[in-house]
Amino acid sequence: GQQVMQIPQYQHVQEGEDFTTYCNSSTTLSNIQWYKQRPGGHPVFLIQLVKSGEVKKQKRLTFQFGEAKKNSSLHITATQTTDVGTYFCAGPFSNYQLIWGAGTKLIIKP
Amino acid sequence: DGGITQSPKYLFRKEGQNVTLSCEQNLNHDAMYWYRQDPGQGLRLIYYSQIVNDFQKGDIAEGYSVSREKKESFPLTVTSAQKNPTAFYLCASSMYVSGYEQYFGPGTRLTVT
Repeated sequence: GQQVMQIPQYQHVQEGEDFTTYCNSSTTLSNIQWYKQRPGGHPVFLIQLVKSGEVKKQKRLTFQFGEAKKNSSLHITATQTTDVGTYFCAGPFSNYQLIWGAGTKLIIKP
Repeated sequence: DGGITQSPKYLFRKEGQNVTLSCEQNLNHDAMYWYRQDPGQGLRLIYYSQIVNDFQKGDIAEGYSVSREKKESFPLTVTSAQKNPTAFYLCASSMYVSGYEQYFGPGTRLTVT
């Protein structure tokens, strides 16, 4: 079936280090969306990428959509404690549901 | 303020009881969704609705029921047939179903003992 695989499941970083999460779809996507869920909170929409090869930046966050529109990544430069949470990618499929990745949990080492 | 409200935030029930979770939105969105999230896991779709009086099963609909009598409201009933109901339940809405970003309510943590 249609799947969105997201890796890694967890990433432990020292504050100030970079963080990257990767998303791969089994089929071509019309768009890909990224969400952030803080501990104990609910997912919050971050961004949507639509075009092949698209790159978007939000301050220290850089989002990329692959040329084949089957993969995407989120990179955070110089992580801060406010970045802690789980980052999800999600893509729409033929029945117009969003299929969600399992998420990557960003943990800042003390 | 526009947004999605879910109540209650925490809910405790005894096994064998049905329980209804509330979800209301004032964003004028056509589409609404219910997701289940288990600890350390992603989101699994229970039901979604594209318009009033219409709804579709998601991946894990067994043991759940919904209604959509008003555009603003999409309540979820967790029935006694749901084998493992303890979870975090999230309601979301989007302008339309087809690929639009989703806005989430704060969620309801249901514990069944």
